[in-house]
Amino acid sequence: DAEITQSPRHKITETGRQVTLACHQTWNHNNMFWYRQDLGHGLRLIHYSYGVQDTNKGEVSDGYSVSRSNTEDLPLTLESAASSQTSVYFCASSEGWERGADTQYFGPGTRLTVL
Amino acid sequence: AQSVTQLGSHVSVSEGALVLLRCNYSSSVPPYLFWYVQYPNQGLQLLLKYTTGATLVKGINGFEAEFKKSETSFHLTKPSAHMSDAAEYFCAVSGFTGANSKLTFGKGITLSVRP
Repeated sequence: DAEITQSPRHKITETGRQVTLACHQTWNHNNMFWYRQDLGHGLRLIHYSYGVQDTNKGEVSDGYSVSRSNTEDLPLTLESAASSQTSVYFCASSEGWERGADTQYFGPGTRLTVL
Repeated sequence: AQSVTQLGSHVSVSEGALVLLRCNYSSSVPPYLFWYVQYPNQGLQLLLKYTTGATLVKGINGFEAEFKKSETSFHLTKPSAHMSDAAEYFCAVSGFTGANSKLTFGKGITLSVRP
């Protein structure tokens, strides 16, 4: 069955370190998204991609970067981790044919703690 | 610009009682509307969505929602709550193209079901 996976599921790091969170989907979807989930804020969009070599900034992109070198993967990099980036991170993907009407399929999440 | 308001952060119902979770949206373009559910320690999954056509939308697990343009609402209902419905529920809005084609989530509502 097609799926979307994230690794690691849990990560503890120190302030100032570079951290990369992996996202891999086997749906062959064009679109991929990264969100962070914080209490009282719901999900907020960090970065998104509509295809290979395409990346775009979302609502809360400062301090994060992504690159899309193939269809299956969209890794999220925290250039220099800060305590404010302690959060649960979700990756999602969608086909891309219906744009705004697409159903997004979510990974299980990565819980990141920055000490 | 688009936004979603989910009033209150927690709803508690008895098993067998009606579930009503409220969602109001703001959008400068015709909206696409979604309800996603998140079970503990899992990613989000789609419950139902409204794109075009019939304004009463039926989803999985007996949930339904009605798009009311005049009230800018998309409330989620289920006639009889089950213990397995305990989860966090997110309403989201998007539009057809451009900046509006990305999902904007509400802050979420936690549903508790009492035996």
